[in-house]
Amino acid sequence: QTVVTQEPSLTVSPGGTVTLTCASSTGAVTSDYYPNWFQQKPGQAPRPLIYDTNNKHSWTPARFSGSLLGDKAALTLSGVRPEDEAEYYCLLHFSGAGWVFGGGTKLTVL
Amino acid sequence: QVQLQQWGAGLLKPSETLSLTCAVDGGSFSGYYWGWIRQSPGKGLEWIGDIHHSGSTHYNPSLKSRVNISLDTSKNQFSLKLDSMTAADTAMYYCVRVFDSWGQGTLVTVSS
Repeated sequence: QTVVTQEPSLTVSPGGTVTLTCASSTGAVTSDYYPNWFQQKPGQAPRPLIYDTNNKHSWTPARFSGSLLGDKAALTLSGVRPEDEAEYYCLLHFSGAGWVFGGGTKLTVL
Repeated sequence: QVQLQQWGAGLLKPSETLSLTCAVDGGSFSGYYWGWIRQSPGKGLEWIGDIHHSGSTHYNPSLKSRVNISLDTSKNQFSLKLDSMTAADTAMYYCVRVFDSWGQGTLVTVSS
């Protein structure tokens, strides 16, 4: 069974920088996994942020960036704002298994 | 900006079939994958499957035996059917244009 692992929770101060990571049970994450990142706030549908590792949607704030960090996909938030407090999900594509979401990271801005 | 509007029954009994439809408004149907994602109450997201405008489909292996995704290009709609529903299938179901546009979600509850 293919498992995608994220930090369960992270805390960051307003104005700070935080990096969320996304690991695969099959090994190193590469661009061939087409990493996607989503933000979800309570009661709302997920909001797409990043696709294909590091591409932003037209609505994605500049303070969000995607990358590969070591053997993981990563989402970095710079200059964090209180409204960035949310659950963040990564999504990877596996040949055979299709798309698999990570368990989510609850980001607290405190 | 494409908009997705979904509908379908929200309350099912065990063993019944879930049927949801999603209408695509304001964008081209061609050249994209259209899919379904669900989220159990208080839990994470799960990809159910998707369909290309050409008709080719991909399904989550864990659901493959029970799921069918189809499209109606004449109406710019695509649909999800999930057989043999159980309480474990209770979730919010979202239709998506993979993955940049999302429907509003349909809460589906399975209960006797």
